[in-house]
Amino acid sequence: GAVVSQHPSWVICKSGTSVKIECRSLDFQATTMFWYRQFPKQSLMLMATSNEGSKATYEQGVEKDKFLINHASLTLSTLTVTSAHPEDSSFYICSAKGSSGSDEQYFGPGTRLTVT
Amino acid sequence: GQNIDQPTEMTATEGAIVQINCTYQTSGFNGLFWYQQHAGEAPTFLSYNVLDGLEEKGRFSSFLSRSKGYSYLLLKELQMKDSASYLCAPTGGGNKLTFGTGTQLKVEL
Repeated sequence: GAVVSQHPSWVICKSGTSVKIECRSLDFQATTMFWYRQFPKQSLMLMATSNEGSKATYEQGVEKDKFLINHASLTLSTLTVTSAHPEDSSFYICSAKGSSGSDEQYFGPGTRLTVT
Repeated sequence: GQNIDQPTEMTATEGAIVQINCTYQTSGFNGLFWYQQHAGEAPTFLSYNVLDGLEEKGRFSSFLSRSKGYSYLLLKELQMKDSASYLCAPTGGGNKLTFGTGTQLKVEL
């Protein structure tokens, strides 16, 4: 149980275009989803927290107009990187929490974004 | 704010025991997670400590001292596949996890 999927697993896009990454909880309802970014040999940095049906809460330094997050249902959250630049190339990982009250987050397999 | 400190790298021999320490300062502490992350993959859950003391799960054990802001992950009977990054993550306010920089463990023959 508690499986989280991400799509796509990797994507290459041109500078200036937008890319959408999907995060799905497959066998549970995720009241809260988190988006992280990880640069090579660095730790995971939380970008934003999204609750179903409400606006995402962004961490300091993360541009909300550039990284659009939509959590339209209890099983799906999307992250759209708008007007992508090479410096946005990174490993994007989502995680999800269920409604059981546990603090545990279940991680998706990650999406490798390369902007050329 | 959050401050997490763990060693950057460690090397150990196959079959040995290794202890990875983590100290933290965080507001609104609930508990502490340890995750394992292989290169290019997402983190996988290892343990979660809420109460003080040692919790054992197979070859892996995790210890927490809330008063000292200290935790360690103990890996026994090391295997080559244990070579990975180990992330210490205390929970803070707002359900958030804050990850340390991770300890890159290399297991050698």
